[in-house]
Amino acid sequence: DGGITQSPKYLFRKEGQNVTLSCEQNLNHDAMYWYRQDPGQGLRLIYYSQIVNDFQKGDIAEGYSVSREKKESFPLTVTSAQKNPTAFYLCASRPDLDRVAGYTFGSGTRLTVV
Amino acid sequence: QKEVEQDPGPLSVPEGAIVSLNCTYSNSAFQYFMWYRQYSRKGPELLMYTYSSGNKEDGRFTAQVDKSSKYISLFIRDSQPSDSATYLCAMSARGSTLGRLYFGRGTQLTVWP
Repeated sequence: DGGITQSPKYLFRKEGQNVTLSCEQNLNHDAMYWYRQDPGQGLRLIYYSQIVNDFQKGDIAEGYSVSREKKESFPLTVTSAQKNPTAFYLCASRPDLDRVAGYTFGSGTRLTVV
Repeated sequence: QKEVEQDPGPLSVPEGAIVSLNCTYSNSAFQYFMWYRQYSRKGPELLMYTYSSGNKEDGRFTAQVDKSSKYISLFIRDSQPSDSATYLCAMSARGSTLGRLYFGRGTQLTVWP
């Protein structure tokens, strides 16, 4: 079955560490997105990518980095510069910009700073 | 002012009740309106999608869009305990080069037996 796979499901980070969240899709979608979800705050856009080797900052990109070397993969690195990284991270994809309703979300990664 | 406003609740209703969830927005360019359902510790899943104004019905769910008032609603008839989840409204502008969605904060709904 096609879908988006996020791993790991739970991740613990020590202060000052960089961690990378994986997002893989087998839907042949062009665009991919990373959102952060905090309790009571909805989803906030971190980064997005419309095509391979191209990505753009969203509303809260500081302290995060991404890469898009393959169409299927869009990993997110949470760097030590992100001062409050504890949150639920969601990866999403869509086939093309004209199909607004075609968003598919992964199951998320819950990141906790210890 | 946030682009999309949604009352976070929580909302608690008995089984069989009619539930009304609402969002308001400020950007008149929004033309695509969606409702997502998110179960605890899961990713959101698309529930309803409406283009421009009007109503759309799918089983027990009805989505309404009133662009003149910048107001959208989701109605759930004969609510079930399995409807207990967080409901997120989302919207997008036609021709957006970002292809991004703007989300409300989500309303947490509990339907008790």
